[in-house]
Amino acid sequence: QSALTQPPSASGSPGQSVTISCTGTRSDLGRYKDVSWYQQHPGKAPKLMIYEVNKRPSGVPDRFSGSKSGNTASLTVSGLQAEDEADYYCSSYAGSNSVVFGGGTKLTVL
Amino acid sequence: EVQLVESGGGLVQPGRSLRLSCAASGFTFDDYAMHWVRQAPGEGLEWVSGISWNTDNIGYADSVKGRFTVSRDNAKNSLYLQMNSLRAEDTALYYCAKDKAPHITGTVDWGQGTLVTVSS
Repeated sequence: QSALTQPPSASGSPGQSVTISCTGTRSDLGRYKDVSWYQQHPGKAPKLMIYEVNKRPSGVPDRFSGSKSGNTASLTVSGLQAEDEADYYCSSYAGSNSVVFGGGTKLTVL
Repeated sequence: EVQLVESGGGLVQPGRSLRLSCAASGFTFDDYAMHWVRQAPGEGLEWVSGISWNTDNIGYADSVKGRFTVSRDNAKNSLYLQMNSLRAEDTALYYCAKDKAPHITGTVDWGQGTLVTVSS
């Protein structure tokens, strides 16, 4: 049960696009479609932004998109806005009734 | 609207036990798997345990296996986490979370958390 690997930080200017990566193994992220992304603002509970690699829950702006290639998933935030500044976490089903999270990426809007 | 309200957190000495509860409302509780996820102060998210809708499938993180036990009471719309042999490294905000499916997928909606502090 090793954590998924995310870059500790990412940044972009308002209006730009930024992509956050999440790398696992062929036993977890590479094997299953249940890859999710969560946004967490300081002092708040996480919020689901993407599920099943590239699906958005109702109410999540279409500026947020997800993809996966092999053992790496990505979250892209287009048209960056100030309110997008937050911590982002990926997660994946890892088999045998277990789940694994990434270490988190702090997104800064410059 | 999904509501998950955790309770039972507090200050506990190392080696002692604590039981967390989560009261669920706003959805059909026994249609979904449930989870506990924790976040140590200033740290990232760590999945702790998950349980399917009918308790047939249960999983634990290696860090808590053998010490923590998850359970649910579908008649009471409640999820529980029995934590034994607590260690300082178990100090965290513990979130109750609802899965999107009856079985464990890891895609979840979150409660607000209850803080557990393990210290002498």
